[in-house]
Amino acid sequence: GAVVSQHPSRVICKSGTSVKIECRSLDFQATTMFWYRQFPKQSLMLMATSNEGSKATYEQGVEKDKFLINHASLTLSTLTVTSAHPEDSSFYICSARRLAGGTQETQYFGPGTRLLVL
Amino acid sequence: GESVGLHLPTLSVQEGDNSIINCAYSNSASDYFIWYKQESGKGPQFIIDIRSNMDKRQGQRVTVLLNKTVKHLSLQIAATQPGDSAVYFCAENIGYKLSFGAGTTVTVRA
Repeated sequence: GAVVSQHPSRVICKSGTSVKIECRSLDFQATTMFWYRQFPKQSLMLMATSNEGSKATYEQGVEKDKFLINHASLTLSTLTVTSAHPEDSSFYICSARRLAGGTQETQYFGPGTRLLVL
Repeated sequence: GESVGLHLPTLSVQEGDNSIINCAYSNSASDYFIWYKQESGKGPQFIIDIRSNMDKRQGQRVTVLLNKTVKHLSLQIAATQPGDSAVYFCAENIGYKLSFGAGTTVTVRA
């Protein structure tokens, strides 16, 4: 149980285009999903917290108009990188917490999406 | 702000030996800690967790130790195998957010 998927796994796009990444919890309902970014040989940095039916909460320094997050259902959250530029190239990873979980509830991570902006 | 950090960015271990990965945290409000394993090009994989009211927890071939006095967390892997080669992150939970340490790269020598 507790499987999280992401699609696509890898995407290459031209500078200026927008890219949408999907995150799905496959066998559980997720009250909260999280989006992280990871640069090579670095740790995971939380970008935003996504709650179903409400606006996402962004971490300091993350542009909400640049990284659009939609949490349409208890099993799906999407991250759209708008007007992507080469510096947005990174590994984007989502995670999900179970519905009705307390604060001490494990986050389960997706396999990540590698974005390369040319 | 306070954050989780890791001692030693790399660890080389002989196959069959035990591995110990250390982590220091500084936020005394953290109530829950998790160890994740990340293989190249993949997302983090849950290994083991421990709550702040415990000091030790064992899993299959892994043990996590928590010392709240010195704010130190460790992951012990018994009989390390080639498949254990990866980057290991400790993460502390504050409220509902996770804060990750820098990561330790473990390389298993045959």
